[in-house]
Amino acid sequence: EIVLAQSPGTLSLSPGDGATLSCRASQIVSSSSLAWYQQKPGQAPRLLIYGASSRATGIPDRFSGSGSGTDFTLTISRLEPEDFAVYYCQQYGRSPRSTFGQGTLLDIK
Amino acid sequence: QVQLVESGGGLVKPGGSLRLSCAASGFTFSDYYMTWIRQVPGKGLEWVSHITTSSSFTDYADSVKGRFTISRDNAKNSLYLQMNSLRAEDSAVYYCAREARSAVVYYDYWGQGALVTVSS
Repeated sequence: EIVLAQSPGTLSLSPGDGATLSCRASQIVSSSSLAWYQQKPGQAPRLLIYGASSRATGIPDRFSGSGSGTDFTLTISRLEPEDFAVYYCQQYGRSPRSTFGQGTLLDIK
Repeated sequence: QVQLVESGGGLVKPGGSLRLSCAASGFTFSDYYMTWIRQVPGKGLEWVSHITTSSSFTDYADSVKGRFTISRDNAKNSLYLQMNSLRAEDSAVYYCAREARSAVVYYDYWGQGALVTVSS
């Protein structure tokens, strides 16, 4: 089973700052199988990025994804108040079919 | 617009059973693989189960294998999760999610979740 480790656990920033969130896999994964989600309190996760770098429908271009191999990054430029949330990475595997990182909390400084 | 609405959550005693439902609308349900994902409140996400379009293939996390059964009724645009022999560690919010039509797996739409609490 591939394990995804996200860092940092918590990132405290201010609106207007840039944010860099990391997702490291325990084995090499295909870039096409890496996705990122945003979850706000009391809400379901929302797809942000798929295929490591493709934005989902309706996602602002301040969100971008990159990486390959075992290291992947979600970058948020110019944080807006509504961006403060928990972010999860997810990868597609054979067994189990899907695994998630433990999440990064992006909170307001 | 795409909507997924879960129902059937609640409080159940250890060893008991519960059946979750997910009503889908706004898309051709029979064209999509579907998935259940759960989340202990305040914790991370755990993939639970998956079903193909025609129900020909299902898959389960080791933690629920032999106790949970996923099914679907394409005529009713509905997804189900039958949960038997429930344990305290099954307590979580259960989300149904649509798998995007892609060679790889990611989830483009999620329901709002159904809370399952297993407690005596």
